[in-house]
Amino acid sequence: QLVLTQSPSASASLGDSVWLTCTLSGGPRPYAIAWHQHRPEKGPRYLMMVYGDGTHIKGDGVPDRFSGSSSGAERFLTISGLQSADEADYYCQTWDTGLIFGGGTKLTVL
Amino acid sequence: QVQLVESGGGVAQPGRSLRLSCAASGFTFSRHGMHWVRKAPGKGLEWVAVMSEDGSEKYYAASVKGRFTISRDDSNNTLDLQMNSLRPEDTAIYYCAKVGEPYRKWGYLDYWGQGALVTVSS
Repeated sequence: QLVLTQSPSASASLGDSVWLTCTLSGGPRPYAIAWHQHRPEKGPRYLMMVYGDGTHIKGDGVPDRFSGSSSGAERFLTISGLQSADEADYYCQTWDTGLIFGGGTKLTVL
Repeated sequence: QVQLVESGGGVAQPGRSLRLSCAASGFTFSRHGMHWVRKAPGKGLEWVAVMSEDGSEKYYAASVKGRFTISRDDSNNTLDLQMNSLRPEDTAIYYCAKVGEPYRKWGYLDYWGQGALVTVSS
C-alpha cells in the first residue's frame, strides 16, 4: 500500500528558504506527487506536480519562489524568499485506487 | 476562471443525513473526474469519494462506503454528496475538487472549493 510521509512541522525565518519533504513508500513505481498549500480558513491550493525525474509543473499563478524536485523516493517542495503568507499546512498527494495524502507539514514563518 | 462553491453544510445529529452540493464553473465540467475530500479538526486531508467524468464509476473511502453517495449533474455543473447515517467522526470541512487532467478520475487535484462545514453532534 502506497504511503506518503511528511514531517509534522517545519520553520524558517522571513526571507529564508525552506525545503519540505514527502517520502513515498509501498509503491513499485516512481510516483508523481502533487503539492498543495492549505492556509487557515481557506480551501487548499494546488501548487505543483513533481515527477520522479525531478521535473515539476506549477499551477496557475504560483510564484517562482515555489519549486519542486525529487531524489529517489523523496519529493521536495522548496520555498525561497519566505513571506508571512507562506505560513500554512503543506500536503503531498498522489493516487492509486483512491487519493493518498501525506499527513501534512505545518510551516511556521518566524 | 475555475470556481468550485460548496453548499449544504450544517449541524446534524448522529444517524441523520445531510446533502452537500458543489457548483462548478469556468471549465468543461463533463470532462473531469470530481472528488470530495475532508479535513477533520486537528487532522489532515482525507479522501472521501470520486466520480468519473462520465458518471460511470464511483469509488469511496472505506470510512464512508455504504453511507455516502456521490453524484453529478452535468446539465447543471453540480457535484453532490449525500451523507447518511452520520457519525461524530464525520465532523469535518468537506471540499470538492477537480482532477487536473481531463477524462481521468485519478490524478492531481488542480482546483478546490472553499469548503462546507459539517458538524455531527447530539
